[in-house]
Amino acid sequence: QKEVEQDPGPLSVPEGAIVSLNCTYSNSAFQYFMWYRQYSRKGPELLMYTYSSGNKEDGRFTAQVDKSSKYISLFIRDSQPSDSATYLCAGGSQGNLIFGKGTKLSVKP
Amino acid sequence: SQTIHQWPATLVQPVGSPLSLECTVEGTSNPNLYWYRQAAGRGLQLLFYSVGIGQISSEVPQNLSASRPQDRQFILSSKKLLLSDSGFYLCALSKSGRDEGYTFGSGTRLTVV
Repeated sequence: QKEVEQDPGPLSVPEGAIVSLNCTYSNSAFQYFMWYRQYSRKGPELLMYTYSSGNKEDGRFTAQVDKSSKYISLFIRDSQPSDSATYLCAGGSQGNLIFGKGTKLSVKP
Repeated sequence: SQTIHQWPATLVQPVGSPLSLECTVEGTSNPNLYWYRQAAGRGLQLLFYSVGIGQISSEVPQNLSASRPQDRQFILSSKKLLLSDSGFYLCALSKSGRDEGYTFGSGTRLTVV
């Protein structure tokens, strides 16, 4: 079993939609969780960081972690064409990060 | 702030030729450094990581090798490229002892022909 599972998509939504991206993980030792955004032919960039369970909001983005169910979510409100990218979730502990395979999102104008 | 310089952005190499990809870091010292390969549909594959000069750990056995001759320099090499070495290569860093995530370089797209 992969440590971090993520549906690769692709996911296509109309502009303005609410997007929900999800991951599950198996390693109970994970203490912090991240979402990275990767545009085509670019390196991933850190989008959201969450330590332990709970929610974190940053503008149109909300990250949720439920450690009891080992579930990680990223919500994008009022999605824009510029949000079109691949989103990678990651879980980690002691400085080591394990990445999901990424979900490719396309927001259509 | 910490930055990673990675070059070249694109590389086309014939099968059997050597490879050298370089990654340099600015704005931090004694980082942990990583080489990842990203292939379509396969996500990020960790190839090598280093916690210090001359210290290299290999995650996947293959015809690639890595070296860290200086604190802020990480090199990925191959003596003879295979078609299967094609992919998007990413260098990343993390701060030793800090749970702050990884910073990635801009990547090198390698096509072996």
